[in-house]
Amino acid sequence: NAGVTQTPKFRILKIGQSMTLQCAQDMNHNYMYWYRQDPGMGLKLIYYSVGAGITDKGEVPNGYNVSRSTTEDFPLRLELAAPSQTSVYFCASSYSSTIGNTIYFGEGSWLTVV
Amino acid sequence: QQQVKQSPQSLIVQKGGISIINCAYENTAFDYFPWYQQFPGKGPALLIAIRPDVSEKKEGRFTISFNKSAKQFSLHIMDSQPGDSATYFCAASMSTDKLIFGTGTRLQVFP
Repeated sequence: NAGVTQTPKFRILKIGQSMTLQCAQDMNHNYMYWYRQDPGMGLKLIYYSVGAGITDKGEVPNGYNVSRSTTEDFPLRLELAAPSQTSVYFCASSYSSTIGNTIYFGEGSWLTVV
Repeated sequence: QQQVKQSPQSLIVQKGGISIINCAYENTAFDYFPWYQQFPGKGPALLIAIRPDVSEKKEGRFTISFNKSAKQFSLHIMDSQPGDSATYFCAASMSTDKLIFGTGTRLQVFP
């Protein structure tokens, strides 16, 4: 009963490097999300997807890219990492975004850009 | 108008006391108001949720109070326990739309 699985758990990047945060869910959810969490700022939506092949920008998409080739996977790509991208990243999924459906979060990926 | 304002940012409560966290919203089209609980090192998890057709929902020691006219809702934790120490997020959404989260409240319950 894995739920939403994120890798890696921790990563240190140098400024200008690129990397991909992996996310997989085994609940057959059609909606998937990427959030970032900064102290005192709550959860900000980066990108989301309503199904395979469909992605859309959230509140803070700059510096990130996503793809959704399968229902299960929703990787987040950081291009040209900047210190402002130091954060905790959460992947999440839900059956749909309609009222009453629970969003399930992964355990997070701690990223530091130095 | 899409914001959800949450207060306080942090809260310290003695064991057995009542913890109260408040949220306010502007968009009257919001019709789903969940609370998420997050323990250190973990992702948030749904705690309790309410729809605007009721003014209160209770699940064990956790109660949501909803005031539609004031556009406010709050989480009450009765008989607070050290195990309740966590960060709590309120959120709101319209049907078929994404959740908008508050900024979070860090609750510490001391024995």
